[in-house]
Amino acid sequence: DAGITQSPRHKVTETGTPVTLRCHQTENHRYMYWYRQDPGHGLRLIHYSYGVKDTDKGEVSDGYSVSRSKTEDFLLTLESATSSQTSVYFCAIMGVEDTQYFGPGTRLTVL
Amino acid sequence: DAKTTQPTSMDCAEGRAANLPCNHSTISGNEYVYWYRQIHSQGPQYIIHGLKNNETNEMASLIITEDRKSSTLILPHATLRDTAVYYCIVRADTGKLIFGQGTTLQVKP
Repeated sequence: DAGITQSPRHKVTETGTPVTLRCHQTENHRYMYWYRQDPGHGLRLIHYSYGVKDTDKGEVSDGYSVSRSKTEDFLLTLESATSSQTSVYFCAIMGVEDTQYFGPGTRLTVL
Repeated sequence: DAKTTQPTSMDCAEGRAANLPCNHSTISGNEYVYWYRQIHSQGPQYIIHGLKNNETNEMASLIITEDRKSSTLILPHATLRDTAVYYCIVRADTGKLIFGQGTTLQVKP
């Protein structure tokens, strides 16, 4: 499972509140990714990181920010959650042979 | 980024080979083909990838046509636990994975 954990696994919050999701890896991988998955859209890349303090935007980055202050943790923050951000969020790392391995996901509901 | 086309759904009898096709006619010479699957809202699971040669691992085989415009994922002896959504992805130079809608494979007893 590439040593990836995500927390929390489930969260219900209200519109306008800040939310932070955490991705933790234990194998010192340089690249980390955040995706969201919605019905009818497959997985879409939000942000990714290619090292400590090095991040870049994906295709659906509006409304999200990320931070990576240490190799093992990649945080995704919704500054002011909206109902359109209700989704399942997956973290991934890039492992051997440039293959991405995914975490178990976080189900976020914004009421 | 090259786009992939997969059938929306397929059925397969348990114990038989499941052959999942994928078209990627705009693939570039240095782009890899990756296959992942997702079982009922779990995180996507890596299966196999290849550039131009056929590949086999403990899970599956990947057959890529000579012109690289299409590929087939083969699960040699499908079981009920192989029921999942299977994604064929062409990985860009940047390393980004662009997921499509995938093929829902239903393995039936």
